[in-house]
Amino acid sequence: QVQLVQSGAEVKKPGASVKVSCKASGYTFTDYYIQWVRQAPGQGLEWTAWINPKTGGTNYAQKFQGRVTMSGDTSISTAYLELSRLRSDDTAVYYCARGKRSDGFDIWGQGTRVTVSS
Amino acid sequence: DIQMTQSPSSLSASVGDRVTITCRASQSISRYLNWYQQKPGEAPKLLIYAASSLQTGVPSRFSGSGSGTDFTLTISSLQPEDFATYYCQQSYGTPGFTFGPGTKVDIK
Repeated sequence: QVQLVQSGAEVKKPGASVKVSCKASGYTFTDYYIQWVRQAPGQGLEWTAWINPKTGGTNYAQKFQGRVTMSGDTSISTAYLELSRLRSDDTAVYYCARGKRSDGFDIWGQGTRVTVSS
Repeated sequence: DIQMTQSPSSLSASVGDRVTITCRASQSISRYLNWYQQKPGEAPKLLIYAASSLQTGVPSRFSGSGSGTDFTLTISSLQPEDFATYYCQQSYGTPGFTFGPGTKVDIK
């Protein structure tokens, strides 16, 4: 079946980096965008980045510019989100989701909890 | 960036009620508007895409309408499993596919 499986929870210190993975299965990885969305405790959904796996093109939310890198490995159908210079307010659950601009994002990963604490 | 607003931020309703949530974009997004439902501890679930297209498997009591800057999600007869938070997301703009702040629907 179509699914996205994310890597496990992470605990990091302020100033460190984290790299979260999202492995796709059950469909052609290059046919759909992957977006990353985060949700801080008790807060709403915050769009972070997307990648077009076919072209490698990416786009990032302005607030993360310079700190975030999204990449993809088509050979293993996996997308990655790397966030550097972590701060306590980066503590959140990070979700990946597949989709298309015209069709919404229909399949979501289970979420990866990233905790930033000294 | 395109900004999204939603109203109300929360509402209380009873089973069987008709519920309407609105979403407004800061500029025209054509029909690139999606609606999601999220329950506590779960990932969001796509309900409506392209403003009014019902995602496969979603009950027909959910419907969407609108274009340009103003959009609406309607639940025709609220069911117990519909108590959740609802988010709109635009997938028109660059750089980002921004979300609205959410509307929490709880039991009256």
